[in-house]
Amino acid sequence: QQPVQSPQAVILREGEDAVINCSSSKALYSVHWYRQKHGEAPVFLMILLKGGEQKGHEKISASFNEKKQQSSLYLTASQLSYSGTYFCGTEYLLGLNTGFQKLVFGTGTRLLVSP
Amino acid sequence: DGGITQSPKYLFRKEGQNVTLSCEQNLNHDAMYWYRQDPGQGLRLIYYSQIVNDFQKGDIAEGYSVSREKKESFPLTVTSAQKNPTAFYLCASSTVAGLQIGELFFGEGSRLTVL
Repeated sequence: QQPVQSPQAVILREGEDAVINCSSSKALYSVHWYRQKHGEAPVFLMILLKGGEQKGHEKISASFNEKKQQSSLYLTASQLSYSGTYFCGTEYLLGLNTGFQKLVFGTGTRLLVSP
Repeated sequence: DGGITQSPKYLFRKEGQNVTLSCEQNLNHDAMYWYRQDPGQGLRLIYYSQIVNDFQKGDIAEGYSVSREKKESFPLTVTSAQKNPTAFYLCASSTVAGLQIGELFFGEGSRLTVL
């Protein structure tokens, strides 16, 4: 049930672009993206709803393809501060009866931006 | 300032002992979550709660217990039944609007080591 992220790790030079993918085997209600720096708590980047694309943070944007059950995070003109581990969190509709939602995170993508 | 407070930050436990991790939030959020983080495995959901006096098991609930007697508090007990409890534990909270989970706010985490 855990979404699959790719790549597992990526190294960039400052100013380069990167794409991080998140795919699910189940139908998605929404996708969250977070960044975690070493030794710190994850920090929210953005939420994508069905069919929506939101730009929520610096030069970072994302897309959400409901049919393919996938989301991609785009980092353009990367900065040193972009280094960290990126997690996608997927929200599934548990069932019409419960109405309770949960957010399941992927295993993360480690991003290192070097000068 | 509003936020989430986890305590203790570091905790050592002998095998066979139960330990309780505290999580308090003053954001007036309805939903609270406990995640476990291990290297290379991302964030795995232990328990979550969307209303007071109700909570749901996550993906790895075995060996853990929670309570939600107050809106602002969601303590996690790691019992002796948890076979591999050494990990980094993160508590989070969010709003829930209908079926939509809002941005997760995370605490600083509690690092539990079993000796």
